[in-house]
Amino acid sequence: DVKVTQSSRYLVKRTGEKVFLECVQDMDHENMFWYRQDPGLGLRLIYFSYDVKMKEKGDIPEGYSVSREKKERFSLILESASTNQTSMYLCASSFKGEAFFGQGTRLTVV
Amino acid sequence: EDQVTQSPEALRLQEGESSSLNCSYTVSGLRGLFWYRQDPGKGPEFLFTLYSAGEEKEKERLKATLTKKESFLHITAPKPEDSATYLCAVQEGGTYKYIFGTGTRLKVLA
Repeated sequence: DVKVTQSSRYLVKRTGEKVFLECVQDMDHENMFWYRQDPGLGLRLIYFSYDVKMKEKGDIPEGYSVSREKKERFSLILESASTNQTSMYLCASSFKGEAFFGQGTRLTVV
Repeated sequence: EDQVTQSPEALRLQEGESSSLNCSYTVSGLRGLFWYRQDPGKGPEFLFTLYSAGEEKEKERLKATLTKKESFLHITAPKPEDSATYLCAVQEGGTYKYIFGTGTRLKVLA
């Protein structure tokens, strides 16, 4: 079974903090993604990566950056957390077809 | 612009009452259409991939079908444990990105 593991289920951070969300996959997948999910807006793509050290902006990259130093790990960084970044963050990996998701990180910025 | 629209937004069924969920899409060259199930507070769980019009896939009480403009997820004799949000996503040819609909929240009453 494909396993995508996100480092935290729940996080509470203060406004202005630098926040790191970690994601690891164990299937040697080329592609990895970070989405955020908000009620009524669905899943919105923040960044994706199709290879080590390669990244592309998604639909809502502002306020975020990413790092992919190893194939299995894809990190999302909130440079200076703001309250409007309170959301459910979902990491996914894929090879060619279907994407497989982690369990999600519920981030609250206070 | 690529779009995925799911209907209805919410659906309440009695146990055993069959129904269908709709996913209509606009994309230039469909690479694949994907159905996911998402339980509250968790990441989406992969259900089906459909690649071409006329294709059908089945899993227990669920059957997914695809035409050139839409996909249906048919639920036959649902049980309360089928209650979840069902998400549809498309992947356009030549891209790694997935475009998600906002989902249908299904509630099956015992």
